[in-house]
This record gives sequence, C-alpha cells and structure tokens, in this order.
Amino acid sequence: NAGVTQTPKFQVLKTGQSMTLQCAQDMNHNSMYWYRQDPGMGLRLIYYSASEGTTDKGEVPNGYNVSRLNKREFSLRLESAAPSQTSVYFCASSALREYLNEQFFGPGTRLTVL
Amino acid sequence: GIQVEQSPPDLILQEGANSTLRCNFSDSVNNLQWFHQNPWGQLINLFYIPSGTKQNGRLSATTVATERYSLLYISSSQTTDSGVYFCFLTSGTYKYIFGTGTRLKVLA
Repeated sequence: NAGVTQTPKFQVLKTGQSMTLQCAQDMNHNSMYWYRQDPGMGLRLIYYSASEGTTDKGEVPNGYNVSRLNKREFSLRLESAAPSQTSVYFCASSALREYLNEQFFGPGTRLTVL
Repeated sequence: GIQVEQSPPDLILQEGANSTLRCNFSDSVNNLQWFHQNPWGQLINLFYIPSGTKQNGRLSATTVATERYSLLYISSSQTTDSGVYFCFLTSGTYKYIFGTGTRLKVLA
C-alpha cells in the first residue's frame, strides 16, 4: 500500500516548456487534489476532483490544467511554464465525502522554471 | 473568506521541553488536521480533529470548534520534532485552507 505517489520528484524546465505531473493513489479514495507550496508558505489549492469525472478550480488555478484519468490518477499540466510556477507541488487524496474526510499527501514534486 | 492564523510563528526549544501551538480560525469548519512538515519537505499527518481531543504518544491535540481554535501539544520534545507545523481546515463547500505555520526548532 504505497498511499499517494507522485512523479517526477524533481524537474527543471525552461520558460515556455510544457510538462505533466502525475499523481496516483491506491487507497480507493474518491477525491483528489493538487496544491502548490512556495518558499516559507503554506500550501494553496490549485485544482481538485471531488469524484471521478469531475474537476474544479481552487484558489490558484491560472496556468494549469488537470485531468482525472480514472479513480486512481489525477494529473496536473503546465502548458507554458513560467518562472512564477517554480514551486513544490503536492498531490493529495481523501475518501468518501470530500470535505468531511482526512487528506493524505504525496511526497511532492520540486519544479524549477528557468 | 475564512482566515487561519497560527501562533507562535517561530519557536525554539531545548530538547525535553514542552510546547503548545495554536491555530485560530474565523469561521466554522467541517474538518481540521494538523501536519508536520519535516526538514525534507514531507507532510506527515498528525491528527484529524474537527472537534474534541486526541492523543498519540507525546503529541496531543484539542479542537474547540465553537470557540474557533485548535491546540497542538508537544511534550518532551526531541530534535526530530523540528520542522513546520501546519493546521489545515475545510470550511463550507470545497474550501481547503492551510494555516500560516509554526516553525519549530528543537536544540539538542
């Protein structure tokens, strides 16, 4: 039981390049989330998926797209990376009722955009 | 929107000391969790505590939802307790908010 896994662990991009961050969970959770953490700050919600087939914007969605590929997987895409997107990205999941349940976090992806 | 404030922002302890971290919030919450982010950046679930009191070893937490605060107690602190402690809460429908964090350093 790996919990929440993320790939890659580290990535360096040049401005304008695109990439997809992958997230998978094996806890049979309904809801999944993407957050970003900038230096010295707490996490902020980018997008979430309350259940398979649905996605919604969080606090800071600009410059990102998401895909809920199936119940297990939720990906985050940067179409044209910008230096302001340099951050650590965390994926999380929760069971049953999205706002009434504990969230579990992956190890994070450290992204640098030059 | 809901405001979440943690205190103190920074804390330095000698190994073996006790401490209390506080999380104040400005509106009713559905869900409250405490996390420890270790120096390697990993987020470790400590407590899922929308109300009441829980204990796990040297750590315990209390949430008084009606008074809009939660407390995290660390007893007999160890150097491995160093890192940042976040409260994380959900308010209303689909509002997920992290607190400002308390940065703890435990000295040997």
